Amino acid sequence: RKEVEQDPGPFNVPEGATVAFNCTYSNSASQSFFWYRQDCRKEPKLLMSVYSSGNEDGRFTAQLNRASQYISLLIRDSKLSDSATYLCVVNEDSGGGADGLTFGKGTHLIIQP
Amino acid sequence: EPEVTQTPSHQVTQMGQEVILRCVPISNHLYFYWYRQILGQKVEFLVSFYNNEISEKSEIFDDQFSVERPDGSNFTLKIRSTKLEDSAMYFCASSEQGVTEAFFGQGTRLTVV
Repeated sequence: RKEVEQDPGPFNVPEGATVAFNCTYSNSASQSFFWYRQDCRKEPKLLMSVYSSGNEDGRFTAQLNRASQYISLLIRDSKLSDSATYLCVVNEDSGGGADGLTFGKGTHLIIQP
Repeated sequence: EPEVTQTPSHQVTQMGQEVILRCVPISNHLYFYWYRQILGQKVEFLVSFYNNEISEKSEIFDDQFSVERPDGSNFTLKIRSTKLEDSAMYFCASSEQGVTEAFFGQGTRLTVV
């Protein structure tokens, strides 16, 4: 099982600012990519899937660069409720169909009023 | 909105005792997973289950662990003889397909004393 690397932070950002997180993964055969958010002592919740073409969901934009094995998440107009740990997650799918997800350690974001 | 449910939310057990953690995955999902998260650490994959058998397991999932789908709705994780280092949050998850996003239950906090 390969690794997913993230800057642990914390990122302290004023409300309304734009913040970007990056993540790298080591397994070039990885098939699916996701950003999850995790609040303190809660379960990971899916934020968005990440596609090669890039995708946007409201204030959130995700990008995937397969050549560099690099995933990014951009949050615009950040809200206090965005404070959480953001988990970069990769599905390696060695062909068995249910390989489980590999998680990064997460980037801790604190939005300040 | 359909969700993954887990019971109990918190389990305290003595070292050497057996514990069973229970999960009800989302009803139309075909793939089921157990993950664990030791306090302050990343989410780690334990095992995936598809078509009534284990699809993949990590090195953490040793002979002390077993999974079962005893009926059409429940999915259980058994730890035969708990150790202090088994103390963690255990998350159940399910997905429609093996490479799609997984949805997590709220977790069972296991404390081994």
